[in-house]
Amino acid sequence: DTEVTQTPKHLVMGMTNKKSLKCEQHMGHRAMYWYKQKAKKPPELMFVYSYEKLSINESVPSRFSPECPNSSLLNLHLHALQPEDSALYLCASSQDEVGELFFGEGSRLTVL
Amino acid sequence: GESVGLHLPTLSVQEGDNSIINCAYSNSASDYFIWYKQESGKGPQFIIDIRSNMDKRQGQRVTVLLNKTVKHLSLQIAATQPGDSAVYFCAEAHDSGYSTLTFGKGTMLLVSP
Repeated sequence: DTEVTQTPKHLVMGMTNKKSLKCEQHMGHRAMYWYKQKAKKPPELMFVYSYEKLSINESVPSRFSPECPNSSLLNLHLHALQPEDSALYLCASSQDEVGELFFGEGSRLTVL
Repeated sequence: GESVGLHLPTLSVQEGDNSIINCAYSNSASDYFIWYKQESGKGPQFIIDIRSNMDKRQGQRVTVLLNKTVKHLSLQIAATQPGDSAVYFCAEAHDSGYSTLTFGKGTMLLVSP
């Protein structure tokens, strides 16, 4: 199994809603990542978890809250988002923090 | 890698041609360079990588060239096929890990039959 699975594929939410994005991998990878990608732009790193501990937070606003319940799962909790937060949110994983980076297909978020 | 606002640099080729996609990277201390392919509606997919102690690496139908003197990376795709149509990103990283991975601005490759 060389897949990173993200759910939901599409999410529409209002600015007062609370929602979560989920990511799962069963490759035994110990590093997991959240990236944000706006249209026609490259992915931008948001968070890195290494061995289930948050190791990198790229100055992401607190309305985005990551969680790593176990080594296979990564969540991104969303609250009080702004319309400019609308983007494709990509999850990725890698063996430790080196080796090939595997991306999921992303969750496309629209904030109304 | 000039910024072009909402418009990606685009390379249009005919099926069967060879394609060359270029990338200027920014950090002379980067150890590791990767090319990713991103098809519409999908996440980036690893194509090929190269370490800074190499200047050329070949894969199946793809070749990556690294010129550290001018901080330039290129991806050559032989016998381009319609299925190669996608956005291609170069990325650079340090040996300390993928938390240092930085993507370039991307080039759209359009292959017509």
